[in-house]
Amino acid sequence: DAGVIQSPRHEVTEMGQEVTLRCKPISGHNSLFWYRQTMMRGLELLIYFNNNVPIDDSGMPEDRFSAKMPNASFSTLKIQPSEPRDSAVYFCASSRTTQNTGELFFGEGSRLTVL
Amino acid sequence: QKEVEQNSGPLSVPEGAIASLNCTYSDRGSQSFFWYRQYSGKSPELIMFIYSNGDKEDGRFTAQLNKASQYVSLLIRDSQPSDSATYLCAVKRDNQGGKLIFGQGTELSVKP
Repeated sequence: DAGVIQSPRHEVTEMGQEVTLRCKPISGHNSLFWYRQTMMRGLELLIYFNNNVPIDDSGMPEDRFSAKMPNASFSTLKIQPSEPRDSAVYFCASSRTTQNTGELFFGEGSRLTVL
Repeated sequence: QKEVEQNSGPLSVPEGAIASLNCTYSDRGSQSFFWYRQYSGKSPELIMFIYSNGDKEDGRFTAQLNKASQYVSLLIRDSQPSDSATYLCAVKRDNQGGKLIFGQGTELSVKP
């Protein structure tokens, strides 16, 4: 089975531009997570969905960030307008929501650089 | 106070030694605990999870949990240079579904 697929793998953009990151979770997984990783702050949860419904977006930094999951096989994370402090690696992860396991399967990440 | 705290390291051990990685958490409602390994430039991958107090062994890895002290550890026996990576501790409250809160990670370097 294919793992979590993210695109683009690398994005370099200028401040003020819109950035859209994409994620395809593992087929059959019903939970999807967006994390951001920086040296200073580590791996931070931005938002997660269960069955395509946003459950917790308390980690979304501000209104410039938005995420959608229109169906079970696709999600986007959008930053508009982007700022240099948004530079980070953005990971998408998916899992099956069960009571007794919590394994997240991560994509390879999207490295964003905002100049 | 951060929800999950780890020493950032780097922790350096010689090949063949035991590496001990530690993690504390602040939420007493946490029920599940996980150790992920992340190689440089790669994504995190699960090594072990533990739910009950005590030890859980899997090959060269042993996870230890003490809920009273809010403490989780990972021991790596017979450390190998291929174990050099950042190790991330993560916790979950089961009533919050699959939401995992990660620590900053501890960088481990195993010297040949």
